[in-house]
Amino acid sequence: NAGVTQTPKFQVLKTGQSMTLQCAQDMNHEYMSWYRQDPGMGLRLIHYSVGAGITDQGEVPNGYNVSRSTTEDFPLRLLSAAPSQTSVYFCASSYITGGVGSPLHFGNGTRLTVT
Amino acid sequence: AQSVTQPDIHITVSEGASLELRCNYSYGATPYLFWYVQSPGQGLQLLLKYFSGDTLVQGIKGFEAEFKRSQSSFNLRKPSVHWSDAAEYFCAVGEASNYQLIWGAGTKLIIKP
Repeated sequence: NAGVTQTPKFQVLKTGQSMTLQCAQDMNHEYMSWYRQDPGMGLRLIHYSVGAGITDQGEVPNGYNVSRSTTEDFPLRLLSAAPSQTSVYFCASSYITGGVGSPLHFGNGTRLTVT
Repeated sequence: AQSVTQPDIHITVSEGASLELRCNYSYGATPYLFWYVQSPGQGLQLLLKYFSGDTLVQGIKGFEAEFKRSQSSFNLRKPSVHWSDAAEYFCAVGEASNYQLIWGAGTKLIIKP
């Protein structure tokens, strides 16, 4: 059972480059989300989706785009990378029934460095 | 504003000793409360959660947490830690009407042999 799969595990970008972080889940979860984790700041929500075709902004959406064309996939796009986007990114999913009470299932993260 | 505070950035405990990790929250509505654990290089895993009812909740791996409304706290406890408990622990708060959890900054647990 794969759970939540994130690729790549590591990425180095130059300032101004664009890239897509991939996230796929095989649990038929309606809810998917992207977080960034920075030292001393916990997790901050970037974008989330409650189903295919539906996305919404979280706490720190600037500089990131998402789309949800299928239930399984929720890619995160960095449009023009900046050093401030150096972080560890986590994708998480859950069932929508129970709302915020449904446990989140996390991927293993993507460590992104922007130089 | 809603917030979650984990006052201890690091905690060092001897193997076999008891553990208490602190979590305080500021939240207007009746909160949903969570503890997650993150092992090195891994994603987060749910330890336990509280929505309502008995204020002492049991979780996986022998952990428990107690909700104290008067103190706005949800502290995590374990009677006897094992070396495999070394990890970072995150407290989070949410409410039923939305999907946005507010996260604490985390507490790194170090186990002394």
